[in-house]
Amino acid sequence: RKEVEQDPGPFNVPEGATVAFNCTYSNSASQSFFWYRQDCRKEPKLLMSVYSSGNEDGRFTAQLNRASQYISLLIRDSKLSDSATYLCVAVGTALIFGKGTTLSVSS
Amino acid sequence: GAGVSQSPSNKVTEKGKDVELRCDPISGHTALYWYRQSLGQGLEFLIYFQGNSAPDKSGLPSDRFSAERTGGSVSTLTIQRTQQEDSAVYLCASSLNSGGWLLNTEAFFGQGTRLTVV
Repeated sequence: RKEVEQDPGPFNVPEGATVAFNCTYSNSASQSFFWYRQDCRKEPKLLMSVYSSGNEDGRFTAQLNRASQYISLLIRDSKLSDSATYLCVAVGTALIFGKGTTLSVSS
Repeated sequence: GAGVSQSPSNKVTEKGKDVELRCDPISGHTALYWYRQSLGQGLEFLIYFQGNSAPDKSGLPSDRFSAERTGGSVSTLTIQRTQQEDSAVYLCASSLNSGGWLLNTEAFFGQGTRLTVV
């Protein structure tokens, strides 16, 4: 089993839609989690940290379910500029990235 | 500079040659990571340095790959006898680190080195 797994997508949604991504992790000892965003041919950049029961930042909400070992990212009112690949990260002795979920928002 | 700097930005090399990739982390960051990203794929962990501790080399794909970090700052990733399957973008990242398992600070990435083995 891979350490961090994500549905690769792509998710194709219209502007204004709500979209959710899930991520599962295998290391039950992982304490910290992140969502990174990666634009095409660019480096990944931090979108959100995910602690304890989750957190919200504007249109973005991240949730953590330790019992089931998954993390989710909810994007409300999608914008064209949200089109990117979203990478789930679990922290062990290093940052372990999932393969990413691709989102395409169209007008 | 203020960010993570990697050089070269692009490297084309012949199969069988050795290459060195360089990473200058953000000043003061004790943690440094190398990842590899093949076209359309996710980030593959290669190696992790934390302060003066022994590096975590568990992600290195073969003994052709090695990395060092001098003086707790600049790091070089060396690939010996390059193969075509080594072609990828090699990304370096650095972060402040609280130590141990609790890496709860943001990792900043460089723009990567695009390696092409022909």
